[in-house]
Amino acid sequence: GEDVEQSLFLSVREGDSSVINCTYTDSSSTYLYWYKQEPGAGLQLLTYIFSNMDMKQDQRLTVLLNKKDKHLSLRIADTQTGDSAIYFCAGGKLIFGQGTELSVKP
Amino acid sequence: GAGVSQTPSNKVTEKGKYVELRCDPISGHTALYWYRQSLGQGPEFLIYFQGTGAADDSGLPNDRFFAVRPEGSVSTLKIQRTERGDSAVYLCASSSQGGETQYFGPGTRLLVL
Repeated sequence: GEDVEQSLFLSVREGDSSVINCTYTDSSSTYLYWYKQEPGAGLQLLTYIFSNMDMKQDQRLTVLLNKKDKHLSLRIADTQTGDSAIYFCAGGKLIFGQGTELSVKP
Repeated sequence: GAGVSQTPSNKVTEKGKYVELRCDPISGHTALYWYRQSLGQGPEFLIYFQGTGAADDSGLPNDRFFAVRPEGSVSTLKIQRTERGDSAVYLCASSSQGGETQYFGPGTRLLVL
């Protein structure tokens, strides 16, 4: 069936860039999404990319989409301690990955 | 309202009991979604409403789970004969008609003892 996979953990130092990766199987998605979830909170939509785009930049966030390899990434520039959270990628048909826990050390 | 709201925020019940979880979507949003999130996992789709009707209920795990949205706004997720494995955070999201972007509520944390 459809699947979305992410690495489970990422640890970076404050000020560094973070790159969170995601692979997916369903290529019919019109949009692909990145959500952020802080402890005890619901999911916050961070950004999304239309499936016919390769890249989207939104302030500190850059989304790269490689449709051939079905690979999506989220780059966070100048990572701050407030960016510590779990990040989920999601595709169409309402399939979410397991989430990547980002830990930012001062 | 300003965002999606869910009540209660926490619910503790005993095995075998019946529970109802409520979702109040963003005003004017016609699409409403229920997800279940277990510890350490991503949200798992349960059911999707477009207006009053369930457009896709393929994610409901069994017939103990049921959801309604009688007036096309507030939705209630109902779980009968709860089991310990039903313990999870139940998330609700809504989106505008034709919009794919879902806005999530804070969730209801259900614990079945």
